[in-house]
Amino acid sequence: DTEVTQTPKHLVMGMTNKKSLKCEQHMGHRAMYWYKQKAKKPPELMFVYSYEKLSINESVPSRFSPECPNSSLLNLHLHALQPEDSALYLCASSHEAGGQETQYFGPGTRLLVL
Amino acid sequence: DQQVKQNSPSLSVQEGRISILNCDYTNSMFDYFLWYKKYPAEGPTFLISISSIKDKNEDGRFTVFLNKSAKHLSLHIVPSQPGDSAVYFCAAKGTSYGKLTFGQGTILTVHP
Repeated sequence: DTEVTQTPKHLVMGMTNKKSLKCEQHMGHRAMYWYKQKAKKPPELMFVYSYEKLSINESVPSRFSPECPNSSLLNLHLHALQPEDSALYLCASSHEAGGQETQYFGPGTRLLVL
Repeated sequence: DQQVKQNSPSLSVQEGRISILNCDYTNSMFDYFLWYKKYPAEGPTFLISISSIKDKNEDGRFTVFLNKSAKHLSLHIVPSQPGDSAVYFCAAKGTSYGKLTFGQGTILTVHP
């Protein structure tokens, strides 16, 4: 089983709202990732969590706040977003962050910021 | 600076024929390469990978070839099927780093 689940599938929010994206995996993976994908572009890494600790932040604005409550869950808290933050937000996981490990992606959350 | 490049934005192939998708990279620290297939509004689905210590990996209809000296890899799909129509992303990572670097993607269309 290589399933990563994400909720919600779609989210519409105003620029003053606070919302959260959720990601879950039960494969025993110890690395989890957030990527952002704009239309007709490749996914771009935002954050990497390794053993529940933030190991990489790709200079993401502070209006995006990641959280890893336990080894199976990853959240992305959103606050005061801009319309240009509208995108597909993808969660992924792998056994480890380093090494020759395959990352498995969830279906994504389609976010629209009005 | 694009470290992973897929120079063909699109490829059209007849059903039953071979599809060849190409990818070039510039970072010599990359040692693990992956191909993902993606439908619109869905997450990328892992297809096949190859380690830098190999030059070929095969899984059913999918074969990936790696030419380290040329910093080039390719994905062969044979025979191609209409259900293979999707965007294909090449991705690369270094051993000590969790980041996947993706190419721009190639839209594959397989005609019946």
